[in-house]
Amino acid sequence: QKEVEQDPGPLSVPEGAIVSLNCTYSNSAFQYFMWYRQYSRKGPELLMYTYSSGNKEDGRFTAQVDKSSKYISLFIRDSQPSDSATYLCAMSGPRMDSSYKLIFGSGTRLLVRP
Amino acid sequence: ETGVTQTPRHLVMGMTNKKSLKCEQHLGHNAMYWYKQSAKKPLELMFVYSLEERVENNSVPSRFSPECPNSSHLFLHLHTLQPEDSALYLCASSQDLGAGGGSTDTQYFGPGTRLTVL
Repeated sequence: QKEVEQDPGPLSVPEGAIVSLNCTYSNSAFQYFMWYRQYSRKGPELLMYTYSSGNKEDGRFTAQVDKSSKYISLFIRDSQPSDSATYLCAMSGPRMDSSYKLIFGSGTRLLVRP
Repeated sequence: ETGVTQTPRHLVMGMTNKKSLKCEQHLGHNAMYWYKQSAKKPLELMFVYSLEERVENNSVPSRFSPECPNSSHLFLHLHTLQPEDSALYLCASSQDLGAGGGSTDTQYFGPGTRLTVL
């Protein structure tokens, strides 16, 4: 079993739709949760970061962490064609001295149709 | 140049060749990372350097040899690779080692080198 599971997609939605991206994980010790966006022929860039459980909102993006279910989500409101990319979840923890060891999901490819 | 740059962007090599990948960060960061991204697989952390000292070797075969001559440059020396080593090799840097979400430990990635081993 992979440590982090993520549906590869592709997920195709019309412009303006609400997008929900999800990851499940098996290691209950994870404490740091991240979402990265990767455009074609580019490196990943950090979108959202959450420590432990809870929600975090940044503009059109909301990240949720449910540690009891070992499930994290990224919601994109009013999706735009420019949101078309691969979204990677990543997590790490619990020790601060090794929290840089990010465990990634395999990524979900999102296509927002104009 | 700004951010994290990687050269070459594309590389094709035979199994008996020796080549090197170069990464340069223009952000004044102290930590640098090599990742491997294979098709439909998660990013895999390969090596981590902090203040030019290797702090992580994630069970990477010896045909991959990293070098960090200073805090701005990171190399990945390749020799006698296998076709299964074909992948996108990504370099990243962060101000400090950390989980990648705080202001000082966010990892900034370069565009990667697409490596094909024939």
